[in-house]
Amino acid sequence: GAVVSQHPSRVICKSGTSVKIECRSLDFQATTMFWYRQFPKQSLMLMATSNEGSKATYEQGVEKDKFLINHASLTLSTLTVTSAHPEDSSFYICSASGEQANSPLHFGNGTRLTVT
Amino acid sequence: LAKTTQPISMDSYEGQEVNITCSHNNIATNDYITWYQQFPSQGPRFIIQGYKTKVTNEVASLFIPADRKSSTLSLPRVSLSDTAVYYCLVGPNTGGFKTIFGAGTRLFVKA
Repeated sequence: GAVVSQHPSRVICKSGTSVKIECRSLDFQATTMFWYRQFPKQSLMLMATSNEGSKATYEQGVEKDKFLINHASLTLSTLTVTSAHPEDSSFYICSASGEQANSPLHFGNGTRLTVT
Repeated sequence: LAKTTQPISMDSYEGQEVNITCSHNNIATNDYITWYQQFPSQGPRFIIQGYKTKVTNEVASLFIPADRKSSTLSLPRVSLSDTAVYYCLVGPNTGGFKTIFGAGTRLFVKA
């Protein structure tokens, strides 16, 4: 089946630094990728939708200047958490959708970000 | 986007059949129903998708009544490894349509 690879799986960074998370679709072209964050014991919260070659669409309340999303190719989207703070510590998950109608989303395995 | 309602949690024992029902009263004509499974510290994993009546695959069955306002995920003979959160999602699912997750159902399977 379709595979989405997310890297890194875990990252620890210091306050004020930036962290980049990569999301790759390995065996299909992802016209659209989604980024979620998930706090412990909670559901996934959609942060933004990114389409290849265009600007990402952010959900209400998500700071676009803090969470930079780039979808430069049909197989790669990146999320950069800029000037990270401890409250940004969370589990970040990407998903990708192919071009086929009614194809389910394929998710990466998530990135655990800890900001110290 | 159709809102979904699921039980917050369910308990079961190994070997039993588990049925998780999801309500989606505002489902649109072109919406599909998709279920995902999530283990701690992992991304959700696709289980099954359907539009109407019944769909079955190697891991689950999905029952959808004629009015499509609800759906039931059926897991036959669960094992301890089926302990996870199960999410019911409703939407067109046509390449690019954003997916909003509800609270999901936490299933605990006991020995």
